[in-house]
Amino acid sequence: DGGITQSPKYLFRKEGQNVTLSCEQNLNHDAMYWYRQDPGQGLRLIYYSQIVNDFQKGDIAEGYSVSREKKESFPLTVTSAQKNPTAFYLCASSRHDQQYFGPGTRLTVT
Amino acid sequence: GQQVMQIPQYQHVQEGEDFTTYCNSSTTLSNIQWYKQRPGGHPVFLIQLVKSGEVKKQKRLTFQFGEAKKNSSLHITATQTTDVGTYFCAGPPQGGTSYGKLTFGQGTILTVHP
Repeated sequence: DGGITQSPKYLFRKEGQNVTLSCEQNLNHDAMYWYRQDPGQGLRLIYYSQIVNDFQKGDIAEGYSVSREKKESFPLTVTSAQKNPTAFYLCASSRHDQQYFGPGTRLTVT
Repeated sequence: GQQVMQIPQYQHVQEGEDFTTYCNSSTTLSNIQWYKQRPGGHPVFLIQLVKSGEVKKQKRLTFQFGEAKKNSSLHITATQTTDVGTYFCAGPPQGGTSYGKLTFGQGTILTVHP
């Protein structure tokens, strides 16, 4: 069954801790993306990667880091430098135009 | 940079009423995509429009791309409770394909009262 998986669905962390969100896809897509969604707002692009071992900053990359060591995986680390990390994080992939989204991870930092 | 605006931000309708959301880009778009996000869910691709003036239908949903390729609309006829959710439009950077970045509108949240 092809698709994108994100884990965990809910994540709780203390302020000052780094946390890594997982994103895996078995769609054989080259491009992958990380978005942040805040209540009542649209999707804001954090990072994207068009190919293995390469990634680009999106519109709100500060306080985040990513890696793309494998085509299937694009983990996102929310660092302690991110001032407002509590949000819903969505991972997506695409081959041509259409983007396919994972179920998301809801991160709460207290 | 490119901005994509959607109106209205919220829309409450009675079941059976029609609904329309509008999307406007600050730059010309090579294509526009529409996504639907159910409450608690993730965005799901609905459709892509490419040609100037293009109109596409999916059952009760009608999508339109403006002649200048800077605006689009989604119209739902006779809404049902299953239409509840947030509808997003999104477009690639000017001159680019969606293989790279997409700029999303802030979405229109639709609630349908039975």
